[in-house]
Amino acid sequence: AQSVTQLGSHVSVSEGALVLLRCNYSSSVPPYLFWYVQYPNQGLQLLLKYTTGATLVKGINGFEAEFKKSETSFHLTKPSAHMSDAAEYFCAVSPGNNDYKLSFGAGTTVTVRA
Amino acid sequence: EPEVTQTPSHQVTQMGQEVILRCVPISNHLYFYWYRQILGQKVEFLVSFYNNEISEKSEIFDDQFSVERPDGSNFTLKIRSTKLEDSAMYFCASIQTDTQYFGPGTRLTVL
Repeated sequence: AQSVTQLGSHVSVSEGALVLLRCNYSSSVPPYLFWYVQYPNQGLQLLLKYTTGATLVKGINGFEAEFKKSETSFHLTKPSAHMSDAAEYFCAVSPGNNDYKLSFGAGTTVTVRA
Repeated sequence: EPEVTQTPSHQVTQMGQEVILRCVPISNHLYFYWYRQILGQKVEFLVSFYNNEISEKSEIFDDQFSVERPDGSNFTLKIRSTKLEDSAMYFCASIQTDTQYFGPGTRLTVL
């Protein structure tokens, strides 16, 4: 079984500051890991994913995440926040191996202060 | 770029009524999913569908729910007799290799 814990339901950052969103997972098999973003009144948009290979993955809009197996983490970062980054961010895990059902974290709402 | 579409964007219904939520997955995708997100809660898996049959369903997906792919392009979720607690955003997703692509969602409000 897979589960995801996102630490911090709400993060507030200043424009230009580092964005760090924390995600820890639990999985009985090597996981596939995802970050999705949800802008107000919109659907879920894929930011980035880790399946195999390089543990530091880069996504859209300047975001990146690092898979750390020893820490069971997949934290999302962006060096410099922009006002347009205000949204809700979801970490998700799937077992892979032809089982792609996603288990989501509770989400982290990001607000960006001018 | 191809995308998943969903209709309607917002559905208001009376408790006990049947609703059908429609999705058009990306055309060459083979696996389809429904998820829901109750306001303020996690996105939850409902059901997965492959090769014209359900491949997995969650505890939420009881006898009141059904899915079908009636014409090879649409993918529908039916709720036979809606309850107040069915009020949520319902997302359809289709998959290419290992990544799910989500539609914009249908907000279902049950009164």
